[in-house]
Amino acid sequence: EAGVTQSPRYAVLQEGQAVSFWCDPISGHDTLYWYQQPRDQGPQLLVYFRDEAVIDNSQLPSDRFSAVRPKGTNSTLKIQSAKQGDTATYLCASRSLGSAETLYFGSGTRLTVL
Amino acid sequence: GEKVEQHESTLSVREGDSAVINCTYTDTASSYFPWYKQEAGKSLHFVIDIRSNVDRKQSQRLIVLLDKKAKRFSLHITATQPEDSAIYFCAASSNNNAGAKLTFGGGTRLTVRP
Repeated sequence: EAGVTQSPRYAVLQEGQAVSFWCDPISGHDTLYWYQQPRDQGPQLLVYFRDEAVIDNSQLPSDRFSAVRPKGTNSTLKIQSAKQGDTATYLCASRSLGSAETLYFGSGTRLTVL
Repeated sequence: GEKVEQHESTLSVREGDSAVINCTYTDTASSYFPWYKQEAGKSLHFVIDIRSNVDRKQSQRLIVLLDKKAKRFSLHITATQPEDSAIYFCAASSNNNAGAKLTFGGGTRLTVRP
């Protein structure tokens, strides 16, 4: 069984540039999460979906961040105008609501904003 | 919202000794407490969890204790081995119909010295 796939692995931007992160969850997993993990900190939830619906995006900086999961499978997280404070690893995780509560994490995208 | 705090940011033990990592949480509605491990250069993966209907759970060399009154839980790793060296994250969630929303602690970097 393939795991959670994320791309790109790394991104380096200047402030003000836009960037998109892509996530392909484990097949059949209906719940998908995006976490932001600053260096030497724990993951912080940005947004999560059940199928194509946003369940909670209260921690997503809505003026610059957006996330979609249009068909309830793959998901894209976009930063419209990056700031240095966005420097972090962006983790995607998925789980199957009907089974165990374990989250399966991807390898992450390490973003550096100069 | 829920806040999870890990009290030890770093921990160093000698191989064969036990390691204990402590966490506290704030939301009395939290009922699910997993632990995740992040090895160098890799993403997080699940190691063990405990639910609020029990106060102790063991899986091989891992023991999790839960004290609901104190809103505290801990991970005990017995007979530590070099491969236990990693960052450990505790988390908490109050399950709801839309799936678990995990709040993570800041992480504890465990080093097992030979």
